[in-house]
Amino acid sequence: EAQVTQNPRYLITVTGKKLTVTCSQNMNHEYMSWYRQDPGLGLRQIYYSMNVEVTDKGDVPEGYKVSRKEKRNFPLILESPSPNQTSLYFCASSLEGGKLFFGSGTQLSVL
Amino acid sequence: SQQGEEDPQALSIQEGENATMNCSYKTSINNLQWYRQNSGRGLVHLILIRSNEREKHSGRLRVTLDTSKKSSSLLITASRAADTASYFCATDEKGSYIPTFGRGTSLIVHP
Repeated sequence: EAQVTQNPRYLITVTGKKLTVTCSQNMNHEYMSWYRQDPGLGLRQIYYSMNVEVTDKGDVPEGYKVSRKEKRNFPLILESPSPNQTSLYFCASSLEGGKLFFGSGTQLSVL
Repeated sequence: SQQGEEDPQALSIQEGENATMNCSYKTSINNLQWYRQNSGRGLVHLILIRSNEREKHSGRLRVTLDTSKKSSSLLITASRAADTASYFCATDEKGSYIPTFGRGTSLIVHP
């Protein structure tokens, strides 16, 4: 089944404790992206990747890191999380210019 | 930056009525897509319309695109309670193929 798998679904952590949210797709898509969703602000893009070893900043990259060592994986890293990074996070993938497939989301709370 | 903006922000209708929501954007685009999100879940692709197309249909969905006005509309005919969700448009600037999302329209369909 074609899918984007995102883990964990829920995460509660404390300020400053490094965390990684994993994202994996099985559709051989070149394009992958991370979004955060906050009430009233819609989806804002954090980082995206057009292919292996190619990543670029979106609209809200501060405080986040990504890597794209393999085509299928695109982890999101918060090296020192802060409370303003409490949000709902989505990973998505697509063929270039095509429809996006989304993961189920990660609800992150930073205390 | 958010390219597309949906209007209205919220829409409340009775089952059986039609629901229309609009999306306006700022720059020339390759494609415009509409997505649906049930509360807290991942977005699901509904329809993609290319910049050289004016209208597309999919089941009870009808999407129009007016590139001269830089706007699109999504019509859901004979709405059902199960259509209750948030609806987002996503546009990618010409030459970019990187989709950006608006803030969404929250649709409530009362049984």
